[in-house]
Amino acid sequence: EVQLVQSGAEVKEPGESLKISCRGSGYTFTTYWIAWVRQMPGKGLEWMGIIYPGNSDSTYSPSFQGQVSISVDKSISTAYLHWSSLRASDSAMYYCAKLGGDGGYFGPWGQGTLVTVSS
Amino acid sequence: DIVMTQSPDSLAVSLGERATINCKSSQSLFYNYNKKDHLAWYQQKPGQPPKLLIYWASTRESGVSDRFSGSGTGTDFTLSISSLQAEDVAVYYCQHYYSKPYTFGQGTRLEIK
Repeated sequence: EVQLVQSGAEVKEPGESLKISCRGSGYTFTTYWIAWVRQMPGKGLEWMGIIYPGNSDSTYSPSFQGQVSISVDKSISTAYLHWSSLRASDSAMYYCAKLGGDGGYFGPWGQGTLVTVSS
Repeated sequence: DIVMTQSPDSLAVSLGERATINCKSSQSLFYNYNKKDHLAWYQQKPGQPPKLLIYWASTRESGVSDRFSGSGTGTDFTLSISSLQAEDVAVYYCQHYYSKPYTFGQGTRLEIK
């Protein structure tokens, strides 16, 4: 069974750094793109960026370029979403998702990681 | 960036009736290289991650009920849910994957009347 399992909820203060993770299993991790999606409380889905684990090639949405970084560790089939300095406005649910083999549709999705940034 | 606009924002349908959700893109999602529309539909139930329902505008994901169907081409697309059941209460999103960023529609909330 193809699965993406994300790291647990985080509570951080503004200015702190954070890296959340997404581990893939049940498929060849290096040959499928992984996406990150933000969902702010009560709001819709926002495409943040994607990464190809095979060579770490990545593309960011202009809205998130420079605000976050996406990386992978192929050896443990894990993708990461990293903030160097969190803001209160980063408080949201973050999902990872595997892209289809023949197109950019997303499935399956991870269970989500809730990030809360508050002083 | 391609803008995806869904209508309506919310919808209330009686059990057993048909629900129809529309999605319009700001440019055509039909790619000549593979003769396909690069459009997907997702269902998100409260407290759950989104779930892929439809891709290539009309291909149903494995395991998805055949009550869900997708149609349309170019810039106008429709998700139809026949014989509505209580378990279909959710927010539905369309998303294009024609060119990055792969933006989503704002979502349509489906409720039971």
